[in-house]
Amino acid sequence: EAGVAQSPRYKIIEKRQSVAFWCNPISGHATLYWYQQILGQGPKLLIQFQNNGVVDDSQLPKDRFSAERLKGVDSTLKIQPAKLEDSAVYLCASSLAWTANYGYTFGSGTRLTVV
Amino acid sequence: LAKTTQPISMDSYEGQEVNITCSHNNIATNDYITWYQQFPSQGPRFIIQGYKTKVTNEVASLFIPADRKSSTLSLPRVSLSDTAVYYCLVGDQAGTALIFGKGTTLSVSS
Repeated sequence: EAGVAQSPRYKIIEKRQSVAFWCNPISGHATLYWYQQILGQGPKLLIQFQNNGVVDDSQLPKDRFSAERLKGVDSTLKIQPAKLEDSAVYLCASSLAWTANYGYTFGSGTRLTVV
Repeated sequence: LAKTTQPISMDSYEGQEVNITCSHNNIATNDYITWYQQFPSQGPRFIIQGYKTKVTNEVASLFIPADRKSSTLSLPRVSLSDTAVYYCLVGDQAGTALIFGKGTTLSVSS
């Protein structure tokens, strides 16, 4: 089966600019996650969707980050305006259901560098 | 905060068996234990999951004692390609997303 697709693979922007990341989960996966991974750390959850509804966005910096999942399939994550500390890899993952006994499938991520 | 504690790093040689132990003293009754592997420039990859006793697949074995307060990931006869970061996570069926800690960086040398 096809994996989780993410684009772009790399992005370099200046601080205060905006950026958007796209994720296409595995077909049929109802649950979608966005994680932020700073170099040397484990992934940190930003937001969790169940179909097109938000389950958990408690760790999402809502003053600058936004995410949507239209029609319960693809998702976009946006940062506006970006700060230097937003430099990280943004990982999208999907799972068949929102129970822990289903494994997550991660994409390869988008590496963002803010200069 | 991550619910688990694991060593920051481990070193091994090719052909050896590697055991990575994870502590999860506050594991709840409904929590499963899951291990992920992450290579540089890639997203984490699911390795194995268990609830109690022993689980084995083509990649690894997972040992969970009766009190479930710890678990051990066993990698038989590691190779250079097993060099990666290994994450231990616990989660329940209530829908809460998995929380990652810093993981264990395994370095395999020839």
